Amino acid sequence: GAGVSQSPSNKVTEKGKDVELRCDPISGHTALYWYRQRLGQGLEFLIYFQGNSAPDKSGLPSDRFSAERTGESVSTLTIQRTQQEDSAVYLCASSPTVSNQPQHFGDGTRLSIL
Amino acid sequence: GESVGLHLPTLSVQEGDNSIINCAYSNSASDYFIWYKQESGKGPQFIIDIRSNMDKRQGQRVTVLLNKTVKHLSLQIAATQPGDSAVYFCAEREGSGSARQLTFGSGTQLTVLP
Repeated sequence: GAGVSQSPSNKVTEKGKDVELRCDPISGHTALYWYRQRLGQGLEFLIYFQGNSAPDKSGLPSDRFSAERTGESVSTLTIQRTQQEDSAVYLCASSPTVSNQPQHFGDGTRLSIL
Repeated sequence: GESVGLHLPTLSVQEGDNSIINCAYSNSASDYFIWYKQESGKGPQFIIDIRSNMDKRQGQRVTVLLNKTVKHLSLQIAATQPGDSAVYFCAEREGSGSARQLTFGSGTQLTVLP
Protein backbone atom coordinates (compact mmCIF):
# COMPACT_ATOMS: atom_id res chain seq x y z
CA GLY A 1 0.00 0.00 0.00
CA ALA A 2 0.94 3.64 -0.29
CA GLY A 3 0.81 4.47 3.40
CA VAL A 4 1.87 3.05 6.74
CA SER A 5 -0.23 0.04 7.61
CA GLN A 6 -0.90 -1.19 11.13
CA SER A 7 -2.63 -4.29 12.38
CA PRO A 8 -4.79 -5.12 14.09
CA SER A 9 -6.80 -1.90 14.09
CA ASN A 10 -8.36 -2.85 17.39
CA LYS A 11 -7.26 -5.29 20.07
CA VAL A 12 -9.08 -6.21 23.26
CA THR A 13 -7.32 -8.49 25.68
CA GLU A 14 -7.33 -9.48 29.31
CA LYS A 15 -4.91 -8.09 31.83
CA GLY A 16 -1.79 -10.22 32.03
CA LYS A 17 -1.86 -11.41 28.42
CA ASP A 18 0.85 -10.61 25.90
CA VAL A 19 0.02 -8.65 22.74
CA GLU A 20 1.87 -8.11 19.50
CA LEU A 21 1.22 -5.14 17.26
CA ARG A 22 2.42 -4.93 13.68
CA CYS A 23 3.56 -2.05 11.49
CA ASP A 24 4.29 -2.08 7.76
CA PRO A 25 6.13 1.14 6.90
CA ILE A 26 6.12 2.93 3.58
CA SER A 27 8.39 1.11 1.17
CA GLY A 28 11.86 2.62 1.12
CA HIS A 29 11.52 4.44 4.43
CA THR A 30 14.56 3.71 6.54
CA ALA A 31 13.31 5.21 9.80
CA LEU A 32 10.43 3.73 11.79
CA TYR A 33 8.90 5.06 14.99
CA TRP A 34 6.44 3.80 17.58
CA TYR A 35 4.36 6.20 19.67
CA ARG A 36 1.67 5.76 22.28
CA GLN A 37 -1.35 8.05 22.49
CA ARG A 38 -3.59 7.96 25.51
CA LEU A 39 -7.13 9.25 25.19
CA GLY A 40 -7.24 13.00 24.65
CA GLN A 41 -3.50 13.38 24.86
CA GLY A 42 -0.55 13.94 22.60
CA LEU A 43 1.84 11.34 21.29
CA GLU A 44 4.43 9.76 23.55
CA PHE A 45 7.58 8.47 21.88
CA LEU A 46 8.43 4.82 22.53
CA ILE A 47 11.18 3.60 20.19
CA TYR A 48 12.68 4.22 16.78
CA PHE A 49 14.69 2.22 14.25
CA GLN A 50 17.05 3.61 11.63
CA GLY A 51 18.39 1.12 9.13
CA ASN A 52 20.74 -1.36 10.76
CA SER A 53 21.70 0.94 13.63
CA ALA A 54 20.89 0.02 17.21
CA PRO A 55 17.34 1.18 17.99
CA ASP A 56 16.69 4.09 20.33
CA LYS A 57 14.66 2.50 23.11
CA SER A 58 14.73 5.50 25.42
CA GLY A 59 10.96 5.98 25.38
CA LEU A 60 9.92 2.46 26.35
CA PRO A 61 8.05 2.79 29.68
CA SER A 62 9.05 -0.57 31.15
CA ASP A 63 10.80 -3.83 30.34
CA ARG A 64 7.41 -5.29 29.44
CA PHE A 65 7.66 -3.36 26.19
CA SER A 66 9.91 -4.46 23.34
CA ALA A 67 10.05 -3.99 19.59
CA GLU A 68 11.78 -5.62 16.68
CA ARG A 69 12.35 -4.66 13.09
CA THR A 70 13.73 -6.80 10.31
CA GLY A 71 15.93 -4.69 8.05
CA GLU A 72 13.88 -1.82 6.66
CA SER A 73 10.57 -3.63 6.66
CA VAL A 74 7.97 -4.77 9.14
CA SER A 75 8.19 -3.94 12.83
CA THR A 76 6.40 -5.54 15.76
CA LEU A 77 5.77 -3.98 19.15
CA THR A 78 5.26 -6.52 21.93
CA ILE A 79 3.75 -5.80 25.31
CA GLN A 80 4.10 -8.58 27.85
CA ARG A 81 1.87 -9.10 30.88
CA THR A 82 -0.40 -6.25 29.86
CA GLN A 83 -1.75 -3.86 32.47
CA GLN A 84 -4.81 -1.64 32.29
CA GLU A 85 -2.61 1.45 31.99
CA ASP A 86 -1.34 0.04 28.69
CA SER A 87 -4.72 0.85 27.14
CA ALA A 88 -4.04 3.41 24.42
CA VAL A 89 -3.66 3.84 20.70
CA TYR A 90 -0.27 2.69 19.46
CA LEU A 91 0.87 4.59 16.41
CA CYS A 92 3.62 3.74 13.99
CA ALA A 93 5.32 6.23 11.68
CA SER A 94 8.01 6.03 9.04
CA SER A 95 10.16 8.55 7.25
CA PRO A 96 12.71 8.41 4.42
CA THR A 97 15.63 9.33 6.68
CA VAL A 98 16.16 10.46 10.24
CA SER A 99 16.99 13.98 9.13
CA ASN A 100 14.44 16.70 8.56
CA GLN A 101 11.72 14.79 6.78
CA PRO A 102 8.14 14.51 8.05
CA GLN A 103 7.03 11.28 9.61
CA HIS A 104 4.03 9.60 8.04
CA PHE A 105 1.69 7.83 10.42
CA GLY A 106 -0.54 4.80 10.26
CA ASP A 107 -4.00 4.86 11.80
CA GLY A 108 -2.81 2.99 14.87
CA THR A 109 -3.88 0.01 16.91
CA ARG A 110 -6.43 0.75 19.60
CA LEU A 111 -5.50 -1.49 22.54
CA SER A 112 -7.97 -2.08 25.34
CA ILE A 113 -6.97 -4.06 28.42
CA LEU A 114 -9.86 -5.47 30.41
CA GLY B 1 13.02 15.86 27.22
CA GLU B 2 11.67 19.37 27.02
CA SER B 3 8.01 19.80 26.29
CA VAL B 4 6.03 21.47 23.58
CA GLY B 5 2.81 23.09 24.68
CA LEU B 6 -0.20 24.71 23.13
CA HIS B 7 -1.79 27.94 24.32
CA LEU B 8 -5.40 26.97 23.61
CA PRO B 9 -6.83 23.49 24.07
CA THR B 10 -9.99 24.32 22.06
CA LEU B 11 -10.77 26.72 19.27
CA SER B 12 -14.11 27.36 17.58
CA VAL B 13 -14.32 29.37 14.37
CA GLN B 14 -17.02 30.21 11.89
CA GLU B 15 -16.83 28.54 8.51
CA GLY B 16 -15.00 30.83 6.12
CA ASP B 17 -13.05 32.64 8.82
CA ASN B 18 -9.31 32.25 9.31
CA SER B 19 -8.00 30.08 12.15
CA ILE B 20 -4.83 30.57 14.13
CA ILE B 21 -3.48 27.78 16.32
CA ASN B 22 -0.55 28.59 18.56
CA CYS B 23 2.22 26.52 20.03
CA ALA B 24 5.03 27.32 22.46
CA TYR B 25 8.18 25.25 22.57
CA SER B 26 10.92 25.30 25.15
CA ASN B 27 13.82 23.43 23.56
CA SER B 28 16.09 26.02 21.97
CA ALA B 29 18.01 23.18 20.28
CA SER B 30 14.98 22.24 18.15
CA ASP B 31 15.60 22.91 14.48
CA TYR B 32 12.60 21.32 12.77
CA PHE B 33 8.90 21.75 13.43
CA ILE B 34 5.83 20.05 12.04
CA TRP B 35 2.10 20.55 12.24
CA TYR B 36 -0.14 17.52 12.13
CA LYS B 37 -3.91 17.18 11.85
CA GLN B 38 -5.61 14.26 13.54
CA GLU B 39 -9.20 13.28 12.87
CA SER B 40 -11.08 10.94 15.14
CA GLY B 41 -9.93 7.34 14.77
CA LYS B 42 -7.13 8.27 12.40
CA GLY B 43 -3.40 8.72 12.69
CA PRO B 44 -1.83 12.19 12.53
CA GLN B 45 -1.72 13.61 9.02
CA PHE B 46 1.19 15.81 7.97
CA ILE B 47 0.14 19.37 7.15
CA ILE B 48 3.25 21.49 6.87
CA ASP B 49 6.76 21.71 8.26
CA ILE B 50 9.34 24.41 8.77
CA ARG B 51 13.05 24.44 9.48
CA SER B 52 14.60 26.76 11.98
CA ASN B 53 16.40 28.76 9.29
CA MET B 54 13.00 30.01 8.10
CA ASP B 55 10.37 32.15 9.80
CA LYS B 56 7.45 31.55 7.44
CA ARG B 57 6.30 28.87 5.10
CA GLN B 58 3.10 28.66 3.09
CA GLY B 59 1.14 25.72 1.79
CA GLN B 60 -2.31 25.34 0.36
CA ARG B 61 -4.56 27.43 2.65
CA VAL B 62 -2.07 27.00 5.49
CA THR B 63 0.82 29.10 6.73
CA VAL B 64 3.26 28.27 9.49
CA LEU B 65 5.08 31.04 11.32
CA LEU B 66 8.13 30.47 13.48
CA ASN B 67 9.41 33.00 15.98
CA LYS B 68 12.62 31.65 17.45
CA THR B 69 13.12 34.67 19.69
CA VAL B 70 10.11 33.79 21.80
CA LYS B 71 10.02 30.09 20.85
CA HIS B 72 6.58 30.33 19.30
CA LEU B 73 5.02 28.48 16.39
CA SER B 74 1.65 29.13 14.81
CA LEU B 75 -0.52 27.54 12.17
CA GLN B 76 -2.85 29.73 10.17
CA ILE B 77 -5.67 28.18 8.18
CA ALA B 78 -7.34 30.42 5.64
CA ALA B 79 -11.06 30.22 4.89
CA THR B 80 -11.63 27.45 7.42
CA GLN B 81 -13.88 24.66 6.19
CA PRO B 82 -15.91 22.01 8.07
CA GLY B 83 -13.37 19.41 6.99
CA ASP B 84 -10.73 21.29 8.95
CA SER B 85 -12.38 20.25 12.23
CA ALA B 86 -9.83 18.04 13.98
CA VAL B 87 -7.14 18.07 16.64
CA TYR B 88 -3.99 19.88 15.59
CA PHE B 89 -0.60 19.00 17.04
CA CYS B 90 2.65 20.82 16.76
CA ALA B 91 5.81 18.77 17.06
CA GLU B 92 9.47 19.61 17.33
CA ARG B 93 12.68 17.76 16.70
CA GLU B 94 15.94 18.49 18.42
CA GLY B 95 18.75 19.39 16.10
CA SER B 96 21.52 17.41 17.74
CA GLY B 97 22.14 14.25 19.66
CA SER B 98 20.81 10.80 19.10
CA ALA B 99 17.22 11.58 20.03
CA ARG B 100 15.64 12.28 16.66
CA GLN B 101 12.07 11.47 17.55
CA LEU B 102 9.39 14.13 17.53
CA THR B 103 8.15 15.72 20.74
CA PHE B 104 4.46 16.50 20.49
CA GLY B 105 2.30 19.05 22.21
CA SER B 106 -1.01 18.09 23.77
CA GLY B 107 -3.10 19.28 20.83
CA THR B 108 -5.77 21.87 20.05
CA GLN B 109 -9.29 20.85 19.11
CA LEU B 110 -10.48 22.99 16.20
CA THR B 111 -14.24 23.09 15.67
CA VAL B 112 -15.63 24.79 12.59
CA LEU B 113 -19.11 26.19 13.13
CA PRO B 114 -21.61 26.37 10.23
